[in-house]
Amino acid sequence: KQEVTQIPAALSVPEGENLVLNCSFTDSAIYNLQWFRQDPGKGLTSLLLIQSSQREQTSGRLNASLDKSSGRSTLYIAASQPGDSATYLCAVIGGGGSTLGRLYFGRGTQLTVWP
Amino acid sequence: KAGVTQTPRYLIKTRGQQVTLSCSPISGHRSVSWYQQTPGQGLQFLFEYFSETQRNKGNFPGRFSGRQFSNSRSEMNVSTLELGDSALYLCASSNLAGVTDTQYFGPGTRLTVL
Repeated sequence: KQEVTQIPAALSVPEGENLVLNCSFTDSAIYNLQWFRQDPGKGLTSLLLIQSSQREQTSGRLNASLDKSSGRSTLYIAASQPGDSATYLCAVIGGGGSTLGRLYFGRGTQLTVWP
Repeated sequence: KAGVTQTPRYLIKTRGQQVTLSCSPISGHRSVSWYQQTPGQGLQFLFEYFSETQRNKGNFPGRFSGRQFSNSRSEMNVSTLELGDSALYLCASSNLAGVTDTQYFGPGTRLTVL
């Protein structure tokens, strides 16, 4: 069964710092990996999607990498801002059989960026 | 393009009642998935529909059911509500077969069971 773990569970940093959020998964048979952001009481906002054949994706101050063979992904946030405060969720999409098309989520990293 | 919409946004029900939640995907998207989010269990997969067919189902009791209409809108139903069904219910839509494409989530329906 696919299990996704995110470290750290919470992070509190001053504005301007560069951050690394970690995600690991147990089954490397995935189609892709997606990073989301969730604000309190709200839905999920997609940040980046990395296909299983890709190594990384970039969007603005965000960069996500994927090492499928080792079951790891990292989300790098450059020059953090208070508006980045949210919970960041990592999810992998299963690669076949009963896992096909299912998103498996980690428990998230709760990020607080203070001015 | 309008995003994924979910109605209602908030619901309060009592134990034993049933509830129906609605999800309208992004125009042109044919895959709709449903997830339950609770503080204790996190985000868990309920089911996924593509072109009116349920392709995959999570490990939830039969009280949880869903369907998808020809216009890709989807509903999920929970019968005989229990206190533990209190959660944020999220739906997601995607463009292609839902396997490799980005999934876009709605704002969710907050269900409280008293």
